[in-house]
Amino acid sequence: AQKVTQAQTEISVVEKEDVTLDCVYETRDTTYYLFWYKQPPSGELVFLIRRNSFDEQNEISGRYSWNFQKSTSSFNFTITASQVVDSAVYFCALSEANTGNQFYFGTGTSLTVIP
Amino acid sequence: NAGVTQTPKFRILKIGQSMTLQCTQDMNHNYMYWYRQDPGMGLKLIYYSVGAGITDKGEVPNGYNVSRSTTEDFPLRLELAAPSQTSVYFCASRQRTGGRIGALEKLFFGSGTQLSVL
Repeated sequence: AQKVTQAQTEISVVEKEDVTLDCVYETRDTTYYLFWYKQPPSGELVFLIRRNSFDEQNEISGRYSWNFQKSTSSFNFTITASQVVDSAVYFCALSEANTGNQFYFGTGTSLTVIP
Repeated sequence: NAGVTQTPKFRILKIGQSMTLQCTQDMNHNYMYWYRQDPGMGLKLIYYSVGAGITDKGEVPNGYNVSRSTTEDFPLRLELAAPSQTSVYFCASRQRTGGRIGALEKLFFGSGTQLSVL
């Protein structure tokens, strides 16, 4: 079973539009960590945010915000007023604190921001 | 601060050749991983290691071998390269502590190795 699901394969938006990238996860562990990574066209993987399961506060960082909802096992990522530089593939990931040693990635969402 | 270093950055192999992708981290992390990323696809785990001398298979281990003789190094060996192994390979590391202490951990990635098998 897929532990991290990113149902949106590709999204295109026009510059300055807001866009939300969805992430749904599955775990039985009581303590876990959720991540978002960005992969720009240059190919490197850039860490964006980590959210701990015991901290349900949502977070905003500039134009980026993250909505963590334990009740729906979701950790969605919103970019406000998108810019061309936001064009990238975005990966959601899950790490479990007490069970398993792997770091589970979703299949990624490719975001294209059209100028 | 070098972090995770992968070499080479690019390589072209002929079918049947062998090669080793090098990965070194200088953060004293206990966990190390090898992922492959095929064009337009996500990351698939090849092998991982939870410490020196311990390795385990991931989702797509066939055609690869790894070793972890030191904490720092985690080389990936391709034996008898095949076109299906054309991919971008990423090495990653983290210090896994678990529980609430692990709340600060994250996965650090190398810059990737682009491999073509022709």
